Formats: sequence, structure tokens, C-alpha cells
Amino acid sequence: GQSLEQPSEVTAVEGAIVQINCTYQTSGFYGLSWYQQHDGGAPTFLSYNGLDGLEETGRFSSFLSRSDSYGYLLLQELQMKDSASYFCAVRDGGGGFKTIFGAGTRLFVKA
Amino acid sequence: KAGVTQTPRYLIKTRGQQVTLSCSPISGHRSVSWYQQTPGQGLQFLFEYFSETQRNKGNFPGRFSGRQFSNSRSEMNVSTLELGDSALYLCASSLDPSNTEAFFGQGTRLTVV
Repeated sequence: GQSLEQPSEVTAVEGAIVQINCTYQTSGFYGLSWYQQHDGGAPTFLSYNGLDGLEETGRFSSFLSRSDSYGYLLLQELQMKDSASYFCAVRDGGGGFKTIFGAGTRLFVKA
Repeated sequence: KAGVTQTPRYLIKTRGQQVTLSCSPISGHRSVSWYQQTPGQGLQFLFEYFSETQRNKGNFPGRFSGRQFSNSRSEMNVSTLELGDSALYLCASSLDPSNTEAFFGQGTRLTVV
């Protein structure tokens, strides 16, 4: 089957850097994505890694190591508006495509 | 262009009833996925459709079903509702199954009483 592990909560101060880790287990790995969800809102796409290495999009970066079944999301220059839940998601191509989400990491940004 | 539209936004049903939720994907998107979200459980995969065919299904009982129409709009149905079915049901669309970026609708909040 598939499973993803990520921390349930992370707290950081405004202006700091925070890293949210994600380990996964899947049979037909196709790629790792990250989504942000504010309370009462819909998840929104942040980044995708299909190959090993770092992808940078503004203040957000995402890393993938397929050999370690591990990835992380790095948020720099934290702002209060970054307080949200962050989900890693594995795109599994085995037996037909599907995207499996982790349980989410709740990020609290303090002033 | 318009985003993913889910209707209705809120729904209250009684145990034992059935419910149908609708999802209209972004124009041009042909792949639609459904998720159930409950507090602390993240997003649980229900099913994925492409070209009117169910491509994959999650670990949910047969009471949960869905379909996709030729215009890519999708519906999901839950029969014989249980209290535990109370959740936010999210629909996501993407261009096709190989596309890695999914766009989510605002969801349908279902409450079963």
C-alpha cells in the first residue's frame, strides 16, 4: 500500500526558516507534491518534484530524494499568512494514477 | 478562467439517506479526483476519473460511487449515509492523469445527523 509520514505540528517565528519533512512508501512512485490549505479554504498547489533535487519557487523550496523515499518543504522568511496546513502528496502511477496525501502538518507562525 | 466548482457547498442529511455531490472541473481539464477530508485524517483518496472511466478507487465501501460525464463533470454518490460520513468532500481537477498539479474546489461540507 501507500503511506506518508509528516509531523503533525510545527511552530516558528516570523522571518525564520522552517522545514517540513515527509517520508513515503509507495509501489509506483511518480512524484511528490506539496499543497497548502488555510482554515476553511481549499488546498492549493505549491510545488512538485519528479526527480531528485531542489525546486525553488519564491520563498518556498521543495526537495526530493527518491533513494531515501524522503522529501521536504522549506519555507523561508516566514510570514503570518503562512500559518496553514501543509500536505505532502505522492503521485502513484501503479495500477492507474492516484494521488495519496499525508495527514498534514499544521504550521503556526508567531510574531 | 473559472476554477473548480463544487455544488452544493453545504448539505445536511439524515442517516440512511443518500446524497449526490457535483464537481465541474476547470475548462479543458479531463481528470477529476475526489477526496474525503476529516479533522486529523488529511485527505483520503476516494476515486479518480479520466475520460468517463474510473481509473482508480480508494479504500472506501461500495456505498461510495461516482461517475464522470462526457463534458468531464463528475458526480459522487453516497448511499445509506452513516454518521461517520460527515466530512468535507473535495474535488480536484487536472489536465490529464500524468499532470502533477491538481486544482481543488472549495468542497462540499456534508453533515449527517
